[in-house]
Amino acid sequence: DTGVSQNPRHKITKRGQNVTFRCDPISEHNRLYWYRQTLGQGPEFLTYFQNEAQLEKSRLLSDRFSAERPKGSFSTLEIQRTEQGDSAMYLCASSPTGTNEKLFFGSGTQLSVL
Amino acid sequence: QKEVEQNSGPLSVPEGAIASLNCTYSDRGSQSFFWYRQYSGKSPELIMFIYSNGDKEDGRFTAQLNKASQYVSLLIRDSQPSDSATYLCAVGRGRALTFGSGTRLQVQP
Repeated sequence: DTGVSQNPRHKITKRGQNVTFRCDPISEHNRLYWYRQTLGQGPEFLTYFQNEAQLEKSRLLSDRFSAERPKGSFSTLEIQRTEQGDSAMYLCASSPTGTNEKLFFGSGTQLSVL
Repeated sequence: QKEVEQNSGPLSVPEGAIASLNCTYSDRGSQSFFWYRQYSGKSPELIMFIYSNGDKEDGRFTAQLNKASQYVSLLIRDSQPSDSATYLCAVGRGRALTFGSGTRLQVQP
């Protein structure tokens, strides 16, 4: 499978716990994006990387959220001290540089915070 | 004002008809425009992109862009029940895309 891969597909956690999601982009893609989507809404931008550099982070992203892409390949998104409002689908996307942001999405990780 | 606005729908059309989906955006510096299709419980799938004013056709899909009016549309000809999904408009300017909330399309057999 050469698409964007995300793990886990589903995560149920208790409020206050930390969670980490992983994204493996399409191998030749330099850019990697994290979005969050709740029911009835479009994807909301969280952050993006060009290779290993985190180039932009949404102002909506609290300091409980952190993302890394240490070697310019896979990325992780960690949420510390989860809250019920963090329940959402977390989508990862990748794109090759210079394609005017043509994003290809993974299947997402559905987070439920109890 | 939202950066990208779409009518949430549902937009209901009979099978074989033309479905017309519309989107407006607020950032005049926007350079790239996309339409994504999202089936229930699935992730968004890119179906069309357009960068210049005018029309762009791909099979049954036509994207239309009018930068002066800050307006993007998607036409789906010969609509099929399998086209029933949420259609997301997305706008970019050299970094991450901004998405609208989507329009739900229902194609009635």
